Amino acid sequence: QLQLQESGPGLVKPSEALSLSCAVSGGSIETSHFWGWIRQPPGKGLEWIASIYYRGTTHYNPSLMHRVTISVDTSKNQFSLKLSSVTATDTAVYYCARHDHWGYHLDYWGQGTLVTVSS
Amino acid sequence: ETVLTQSPGTLSLSPGERATLSCRASQSVSSSYLAWYQQKPGQAPRLLIYGVSSRATGIPDRFSGSGSGTDFTLTISRLEPEDFALYYCQQYGSSLWTFGQGTKVEIK
Repeated sequence: QLQLQESGPGLVKPSEALSLSCAVSGGSIETSHFWGWIRQPPGKGLEWIASIYYRGTTHYNPSLMHRVTISVDTSKNQFSLKLSSVTATDTAVYYCARHDHWGYHLDYWGQGTLVTVSS
Repeated sequence: ETVLTQSPGTLSLSPGERATLSCRASQSVSSSYLAWYQQKPGQAPRLLIYGVSSRATGIPDRFSGSGSGTDFTLTISRLEPEDFALYYCQQYGSSLWTFGQGTKVEIK
């Protein structure tokens, strides 16, 4: 069974960078799937951030792309997110997920990790 | 960017009743590109319906999806206690993935 697990600091200071990783187990990241990051501020809805294919093709949410970098490490079977210059509005639960075969939807999700931006 | 608007914001129903959730898109969405997710408190979203009307693996047949163009519907034929949750629609287009703001189905 495919499993995704997010990891990273739970607290980040304003203006610093948020860095998260998603470890994929139960399957290889080198498949015909995109892998993505989605976030959810407390009590609010879902926002797609970015997605990546293991060969490096990336897609970014235009509203965030000037601050976001998504990358993949096939040797570790994981992918990562970096969000720079964070503010309190970046406080959210961050989920990693796998896109389905066609790429249109998200069929496997990690449990999510809460990142709080505060001094 | 296609904006998805879900209604109502909250649906108050009793177990055994039928739930009808709406998702309206700001521009036409291909049928292949529309999905629904269920989210329970403290959990990640779970894919329920993809391609407008196809149930994801393990999803009971009381969940059904329909619609086309800009208007889509998720129907839960008879609410079970475990169905009281948040529901999001999601669409794909031009290498962007967007979600509706969600509908909460709560126990009346």
